[in-house]
Formats: sequence, C-alpha cells, structure tokens
Amino acid sequence: EPEVTQTPSHQVTQMGQEVILRCVPISNHLYFYWYRQILGQKVEFLVSFYNNEISEKSEIFDDQFSVERPDGSNFTLKIRSTKLEDSAMYFCASRGAFRNIQYFGAGTRLSVL
Amino acid sequence: GQQVMQIPQYQHVQEGEDFTTYCNSSTTLSNIQWYKQRPGGHPVFLIQLVKSGEVKKQKRLTFQFGEAKKNSSLHITATQTTDVGTYFCRGGTSYGKLTFGQGTILTVHP
Repeated sequence: EPEVTQTPSHQVTQMGQEVILRCVPISNHLYFYWYRQILGQKVEFLVSFYNNEISEKSEIFDDQFSVERPDGSNFTLKIRSTKLEDSAMYFCASRGAFRNIQYFGAGTRLSVL
Repeated sequence: GQQVMQIPQYQHVQEGEDFTTYCNSSTTLSNIQWYKQRPGGHPVFLIQLVKSGEVKKQKRLTFQFGEAKKNSSLHITATQTTDVGTYFCRGGTSYGKLTFGQGTILTVHP
C-alpha cells in the first residue's frame, strides 16, 4: 500500500538554526499538509498546500515557516530560525482529489537544544 | 474561532469493558473524522461522518454524528489490548477549516 514517507525520523538542532523537514507524499495525491504535535498534546494544523501554493495556514505558521514543493515528489517544511518551543513531532499528510482522507507519514521528531 | 473539545482526556479500562469518547464543536460541522494514534505512531484515519444523525460501525467500533452536527462519539465495545492509543476527532467546516480535538488516551489493562 502506498505511504507517505518523511525524513529524517529525528532531527536535532541548535536554537537559531534552520531546519528542513522532508516529505514524499503518495504519488497521485494533490493536497499536502503539515501538522505539529508537541509531546503529550493534540495534533495541530500548520498548513495546507495545493496547486503549488498555500491554501490555508494556521496562526502557528508564522514567517519563520515556509513550505515548498521543489520537484514533482518532495514537499518540504522549512523553519528558518528554530526556537526551543518548535520541538515537536511534525507530521506530513497527503490526500487525493476525490476522497477526503488524509494519509499521515510516520513523522519527524524535531528536538531544538 | 472554531474549537473542538474532546472528553475524557484519559480513560483506563479493563479488557472487555466498553469505552466511549465524545467530541463537541463550538460551530456546526460539515463533517467529522476520527483517527487513531498508537503510542509513538502517527494518526491513522478511521472514518468520516457527513450526515446529521449518521451512525457507522466498524466491527467493535461505533461512530455517531449528532443531529445538530456539532458533536460526535466513538464507542468501542468489549475493548481489547490492541485498542490502546489516542483517539482524535477532527471537525471540518464548510469553508474547509479543520480542527483536531485534544484526543482521548485509552489504556486497556489485561
């Protein structure tokens, strides 16, 4: 069964550094999403992406965040200058055109020291 | 803004007991989805409800969408240790906004 893959599984970085989290959505999907889950808390929506542009973003998704689909397969989340409070699990998800079911990747655990 | 409240936050049951989690939205929803997240895992889609009063079943799981489309429940009959995890609801509005509930952490004691 096709799946969403995310790399790396764990990213450790120093405060103030830039990080790029990578996702390969399911190949024929058109809608892409990033979510964040701080340890022990609920999943929070960050951003949705369709047709090469952001379709919706939450208040969490401030100027420090950006997303990109640099080629036909990858979908990236960049955090320009990480803060301690950015430490969380980041999930990528994708869905197809017709079924409103999002498939989640296994996540990237970001640890900001 | 839209809020989705989920209760209880934690539920501990003995294997074989039933379990129910409830989801309440501050606004009318166009749909509600339920996800399960195993410990250390990622959310996995379970089901979507769209119609007012809709009830759907998946084996021991029963999902219900309220008549006013502002609340929903997930009921598990005769829990098993494999049911352990966090169950999230996610409410969707007609203008596309999606909001997760806080989740209910279910532990099942054998």
